Amino acid sequence: EVQLLESGGGLVQPGGSLRLSCAASGFTFRRFAMNWVRQAPGKGLEWVSTLIGSGDTTYYADSVKGRFTISRDNSKNTLYLQMNSLRVEDTAVYYCAKSWDDIVVGGPWGPTFDYWAQGSLVTVSS
Amino acid sequence: QSALTQPASVSGSPGQSITISCTGTSSDVGGYKYVSWYQQHPGKAPKLMIFDVHIRPSGVSDRFSGSKSGNTASLTISGLRADDEAYYYCSSYTSSTTCLIFGGGTKLTVL
Repeated sequence: EVQLLESGGGLVQPGGSLRLSCAASGFTFRRFAMNWVRQAPGKGLEWVSTLIGSGDTTYYADSVKGRFTISRDNSKNTLYLQMNSLRVEDTAVYYCAKSWDDIVVGGPWGPTFDYWAQGSLVTVSS
Repeated sequence: QSALTQPASVSGSPGQSITISCTGTSSDVGGYKYVSWYQQHPGKAPKLMIFDVHIRPSGVSDRFSGSKSGNTASLTISGLRADDEAYYYCSSYTSSTTCLIFGGGTKLTVL
């Protein structure tokens, strides 16, 4: 059974940093792209970032580029999101999500997220 | 990059069919086969219902179907049930610098 378990959310001041973790089990982690998607309170979904299975190539939404870093440790079956220079508008529930497949670098790819974690609330406030 | 355009709300009675539209541009919905639909109940994580425009993952009811015409994708739910009441989001690959975009979401009410 596929399981994704997030940790690391919480309250942080504007300009601060936070790291989210997502521990995966039940599938061959290194063979699948992994993603972060967020949802501000009362708002819709927003894609944040994607990392291919090998960890060599990353993709980011314009809204977080240069501030957030996605990474993975395939030996620990864990995905990370390092969030720096946090802003009030980054306040959201952050979801870790598994891709249906790995991504072929250089080509288009689909927002096909077949398993999601429970979500971690990140609150940026002074 | 603007979000894909979905109606804010739709409604239907049990047993009826409804369709939710998702309108983009030739740079996203119209240009690629990569459109997905998600169902989200309040307080829960989203659930993948349709991917690659019309493909249903294993375990998703065949009451859910997807299609696309030009720059508009559609999700149709037939034989509405009370537990279909939820928010539905479309998503697509985009050739812009932000690779993936979501629609604003549609609240489905089963009357």
